[in-house]
Amino acid sequence: AQSVTQLDSQVPVFEEAPVELRCNYSSSVSVYLFWYVQYPNQGLQLLLKYLSGSTLVKGINGFEAEFNKSQTSFHLRKPSVHISDTAEYFCAVSLIYDKVIFGPGTSLSVIP
Amino acid sequence: SQTIHQWPATLVQPVGSPLSLECTVEGTSNPNLYWYRQAAGRGLQLLFYSVGIGQISSEVPQNLSASRPQDRQFILSSKKLLLSDSGFYLCAWSVPGASGETQYFGPGTRLLVL
Repeated sequence: AQSVTQLDSQVPVFEEAPVELRCNYSSSVSVYLFWYVQYPNQGLQLLLKYLSGSTLVKGINGFEAEFNKSQTSFHLRKPSVHISDTAEYFCAVSLIYDKVIFGPGTSLSVIP
Repeated sequence: SQTIHQWPATLVQPVGSPLSLECTVEGTSNPNLYWYRQAAGRGLQLLFYSVGIGQISSEVPQNLSASRPQDRQFILSSKKLLLSDSGFYLCAWSVPGASGETQYFGPGTRLLVL
């Protein structure tokens, strides 16, 4: 069965600094990969997803992620963070036509 | 456009009391529906999902149950709440049969069991 690991539970970063949130998955077959963001006391919304094709995926709010099949990773990056990026970020994986499995989440705190 | 509603937004209930949380989706037909629970500081735990009216799959054995009486209505219930049922409950929907389906989440219900 597939699973998702987010190695960092909390990531503090100064405003305008770059950030990388790490995600690794385990699966013996091809998967779809997602990043969701959850602002305080709200539901989740999709940042970006990888289905196939280019391994570099661009999402909303200036985020991007790169799929690395050999390392089974899908790390999320942003070159310059803003205060408004403070939120919980969830990596998720699914097999074709199967339910989505979410990682435990990474709490990003942007420091002014 | 599609929208998803959850209510109530917050709920404080005593241990042993019943529970009913409701989720409705507008602007789409025959969606897949999901109930997740998010405990404080933890990730999402899939509780139930449904691919159609009356079709419910349970992921985790517990004292909660789910029902789908109408195509776009999903209800989470309990006959007797436990302290461990406290958490943030999220409903979500997705397009059935679409590869790499995005899940669209509602605003959530925060439940505190005392």
